[in-house]
Amino acid sequence: NAGVTQTPKFQVLKTGQSMTLQCAQDMNHNSMYWYRQDPGMGLRLIYYSASEGTTDKGEVPNGYNVSRLNKREFSLRLESAAPSQTSVYFCASSEAHRAFVEKLFFGSGTQLSVL
Amino acid sequence: DQQVKQNSPSLSVQEGRISILNCDYTNSMFDYFLWYKKYPAEGPTFLISISSIKDKNEDGRFTVFLNKSAKHLSLHIVPSQPGDSAVYFCAADYGGSQGNLIFGKGTKLSVKP
Repeated sequence: NAGVTQTPKFQVLKTGQSMTLQCAQDMNHNSMYWYRQDPGMGLRLIYYSASEGTTDKGEVPNGYNVSRLNKREFSLRLESAAPSQTSVYFCASSEAHRAFVEKLFFGSGTQLSVL
Repeated sequence: DQQVKQNSPSLSVQEGRISILNCDYTNSMFDYFLWYKKYPAEGPTFLISISSIKDKNEDGRFTVFLNKSAKHLSLHIVPSQPGDSAVYFCAADYGGSQGNLIFGKGTKLSVKP
């Protein structure tokens, strides 16, 4: 049972570099999400995709772009990384967006450092 | 402005005793509350939830209580086990077009053998 798989697990970037975080789920879920977690903070939603072909901004979308490549995959791109984007990034999926129980399944995270 | 607050960053409990983790919220529109558990180097995992129409939900050793008038919920773990040592996040949800679970900052629970 793979669940939600994120790659890479660790990444160090220099300011201004770009990169894409990959996420795939094998639970046939319709909805996928990207969160970030900073020290002493709760998880904050960056972007989400309620269903294949749609994406929407969350609480902290600035500096990021996303692509819902297909039902399984949802990628997060940093076009020009900044030190403020140093964080742990979590991808999550759920059966349906705005389902009665917003039960999310999370990947194990990507620890990103921007120098 | 934090809508979901977990005011205790950490909690230490003896094995076999009760652990009580607290969560306060400010938005009266929240209609569903969830608790997630997170081990180091892993993603959060869903633990238990409660609808705003209930005041208690139980699942094995875990019970969540909701006091709507006080805008307060708590997670009780009885009896606590060393394997329960983790960070616990309270999260709240509300009906609306934008999908956004609002998470608290988390409480780190340590259960001592």
